[in-house]
Amino acid sequence: KAGVTQTPRYLIKTRGQQVTLSCSPISGHRSVSWYQQTPGQGLQFLFEYFSETQRNKGNFPGRFSGRQFSNSRSEMNVSTLELGDSALYLCASSLYPSDGYNSPLHFGNGTRLTVT
Amino acid sequence: QQQVKQSPQSLIVQKGGISIINCAYENTAFDYFPWYQQFPGKGPALLIAIRPDVSEKKEGRFTISFNKSAKQFSLHIMDSQPGDSATYFCAASLPLIIQGAQKLVFGQGTRLTINP
Repeated sequence: KAGVTQTPRYLIKTRGQQVTLSCSPISGHRSVSWYQQTPGQGLQFLFEYFSETQRNKGNFPGRFSGRQFSNSRSEMNVSTLELGDSALYLCASSLYPSDGYNSPLHFGNGTRLTVT
Repeated sequence: QQQVKQSPQSLIVQKGGISIINCAYENTAFDYFPWYQQFPGKGPALLIAIRPDVSEKKEGRFTISFNKSAKQFSLHIMDSQPGDSATYFCAASLPLIIQGAQKLVFGQGTRLTINP
């Protein structure tokens, strides 16, 4: 089974621009979540989608948004980029938990975003 | 209350030794505690996970010890090998019924180096 695929792997953008990152989950996984990883703040939850609905959002400004398509693929968008948005953005997918418990998150290798 | 505190930040262990990484949490409602391993340029990969109704879980050379009363859990890597050199993250999650989504709170990470 193919793992979580994130594209592109690297991006360089200028302050004020916007960016869209893409994530293809593992086949059969319906939950997709996004995390931001930086040396200072570590891994922080951005949002989670299931069946095209955002179920939870982390403590990030409204410039960060996302969506999920009917095939479970997901995109996240960051508008009006700031220098502090430079980070590794990780997408994770998981099966829909049928027993009420969390199911394992499987991460992609991330998109490295650099804002200059 | 949503934090997970991880220590040490970095750890150097001789080949064949035991690596021990500790995590502490405050929120007693957490019910899922995974550990992730991350190599440079890669996304985090799930190593092993535990729920609070179990005090220990072992998978190969990796063991999680869980102390519910102390609100602590730890990862033990037995017979540590140079290939284990990576960054390790502990994490915790609330029950799905409480937070409505799969969302992990991560520790700050431990950079483990195994000397040959």
